[in-house]
Amino acid sequence: AQSVTQLGSHVSVSEGALVLLRCNYSSSVPPYLFWYVQYPNQGLQLLLKYTSAATLVKGINGFEAEFKKSETSFHLTKPSAHMSDAAEYFCAVSEGTNAGKSTFGDGTTLTVKP
Amino acid sequence: DVKVTQSSRYLVKRTGEKVFLECVQDMDHENMFWYRQDPGLGLRLIYFSYDVKMKEKGDIPEGYSVSREKKERFSLILESASTNQTSMYLCASSTRARWRGGFTDTQYFGPGTRLTVL
Repeated sequence: AQSVTQLGSHVSVSEGALVLLRCNYSSSVPPYLFWYVQYPNQGLQLLLKYTSAATLVKGINGFEAEFKKSETSFHLTKPSAHMSDAAEYFCAVSEGTNAGKSTFGDGTTLTVKP
Repeated sequence: DVKVTQSSRYLVKRTGEKVFLECVQDMDHENMFWYRQDPGLGLRLIYFSYDVKMKEKGDIPEGYSVSREKKERFSLILESASTNQTSMYLCASSTRARWRGGFTDTQYFGPGTRLTVL
């Protein structure tokens, strides 16, 4: 069975500082992994996804994530936070079942201080 | 661009009412999903559908039903609304990209419907 754990429900950084949002997964097969972002009063949108090609995945808005099989992790980073990065971030895992379902983490709210 | 629309952004209903939430996608996606989102609980899957007239229960189907008569439309029905169904409801769709013998792909979400049951 697939599952996702996001460490830290709230993360606060200063503008210009490194952003690190943590995600650990559990999967019985090599997984598909996603990061989604949700801005206030909006639905989720894809930031980036890992599909077993390169382990370092680059996404939109300067975000990237590294797949580490030995650590079962897929942490999201951005070198320099911007005020517009304030949002809720969700990690998701899919095992490629016939249904095409993903399992989502509980989310991490990122606050960016001026 | 993929577009997923939901019939209402905000909805207020009374306990016991029958409630319909509609979702339409314009990209010919096979899969459609209904989630509810509550603070601290992330997204929880209510129902999903991988084809017209096909549906499967998700993690929290109790008190809900769904209908998919056309490929582009997926409806969530609360047969008798209760206060504990007050929540944000998100619809999503995806293709059935084949991968290692199964299917998975990016999900595209609608803006959500914030339902309040009084």
